[in-house]
Amino acid sequence: NAGVMQNPRHLVRRRGQEARLRCSPMKGHSHVYWYRQLPEEGLKFMVYLQKENIIDESGMPKERFSAEFPKEGPSILRIQQVVRGDSAAYFCASSLSSPSLGETQYFGPGTRLLVL
Amino acid sequence: DAKTTQPNSMESNEEEPVHLPCNHSTISGTDYIHWYRQLPSQGPEYVIHGLTSNVNNRMASLAIAEDRKSSTLILHRATLRDAAVYYCILRETGYGGSQGNLIFGKGTKLSVKP
Repeated sequence: NAGVMQNPRHLVRRRGQEARLRCSPMKGHSHVYWYRQLPEEGLKFMVYLQKENIIDESGMPKERFSAEFPKEGPSILRIQQVVRGDSAAYFCASSLSSPSLGETQYFGPGTRLLVL
Repeated sequence: DAKTTQPNSMESNEEEPVHLPCNHSTISGTDYIHWYRQLPSQGPEYVIHGLTSNVNNRMASLAIAEDRKSSTLILHRATLRDAAVYYCILRETGYGGSQGNLIFGKGTKLSVKP
């Protein structure tokens, strides 16, 4: 009964490179959420996706960041041309049904991105 | 989602009960009260949630004030593994309910002394 899987767990990139973070939701879950946690701060929502659709991207920076959740395979959070300020822990969560039903979100262990 | 207020930090002794308070004076009738916790270097973990009545599960109990303007998460016997940041979060539900996001405040950092 695997939980939410994220990989890689740690990622080091130089400024200007691309970072690709992967999230496999819990089995049977079709709702995925991405959050970012800067050092010594709380988690901030970035984007909510359902299979093949972006439902809410109100927390996503307008430039350089994109997310997808294809019909097959994991959800991907892509950060292009990374800058030092992108260094953070990125957490993925999944839920079985719609958040309008108050569904519990289950979190992965996170990917810690360090930009040199 | 409405705002919550929690103490920045609390201390407890191992094997003693811990009461973590949360104020949410602007809570609406459709807001559920959720608690998550985040252990060091891990992702948040669901603890418990409730609407009006007190709730119990294997991890904790949730006591909700009659006017719903505050709630208390109760850990009956704290262990060293309970040292974490505890977040109290309100979630609007139902038709036309909130977007997907959980709004995390700063939470309460619980330290447990042996």
